[in-house]
Amino acid sequence: QVQLQESGPGLVKPSETLSLTCNISGASISSHYWSWIRQPPGEGLEWIGYIYNSGNTNYNPSLKSRVTISLDTSKNQFSLKLISVTAADTAVYYCARRAGSTPIFDYWGQGTLVTVSS
Amino acid sequence: EIVMTQSPATLSVSPGERATLSCRASQSVSSNLAWYQQKPGQAPRLLIYGASTRATGIPARFSGSGSGTEFTLTISSLQSEDFAIYYCQQYNNWPPLTFGGGTKVEIK
Repeated sequence: QVQLQESGPGLVKPSETLSLTCNISGASISSHYWSWIRQPPGEGLEWIGYIYNSGNTNYNPSLKSRVTISLDTSKNQFSLKLISVTAADTAVYYCARRAGSTPIFDYWGQGTLVTVSS
Repeated sequence: EIVMTQSPATLSVSPGERATLSCRASQSVSSNLAWYQQKPGQAPRLLIYGASTRATGIPARFSGSGSGTEFTLTISSLQSEDFAIYYCQQYNNWPPLTFGGGTKVEIK
């Protein structure tokens, strides 16, 4: 059974860096593509980016200048870094697995709320 | 960027009734359209992809239709567990992958 679990600080100060990790169980990180998606409180979903099992990435152009997604195959996990955060980055952050060759999401983590506040 | 617009924002339906949700794309996405269900405090769940193919384990009362710019998700007979927010997502022209703003299906 595939399970994804996000972890990281729940509170980040403005202008600092948001860092999250997604731990994967029940699947090999090397066999699939992985993504981060976020959802501001009470709002809709925003795709942040993908990382491929090759390590190549694809980001939302609106966030591209601030985002880095990386793999750690030895730990079967991948990570998100978002620099220079503001209150607008406050959201529930989800990690998710891409469903094979189709850029949709078949497995999701439970999500973690990150609040940007001083 | 392709903008996805869902309507209505809120749909009030009685249990056992039919619900019809709409999703419109700002330009053609062919059949590259997925639907997700999200319950409070939970992650979204994939329901439909390819505009009309149900994901694994999704009941037959959920059906999707449409192509191009107009899409519909139909729930034939609403069960109590179906009251949730539903999102559409296009994957025809990306990055970025984009989602609609959601339709909340509530109990009438």
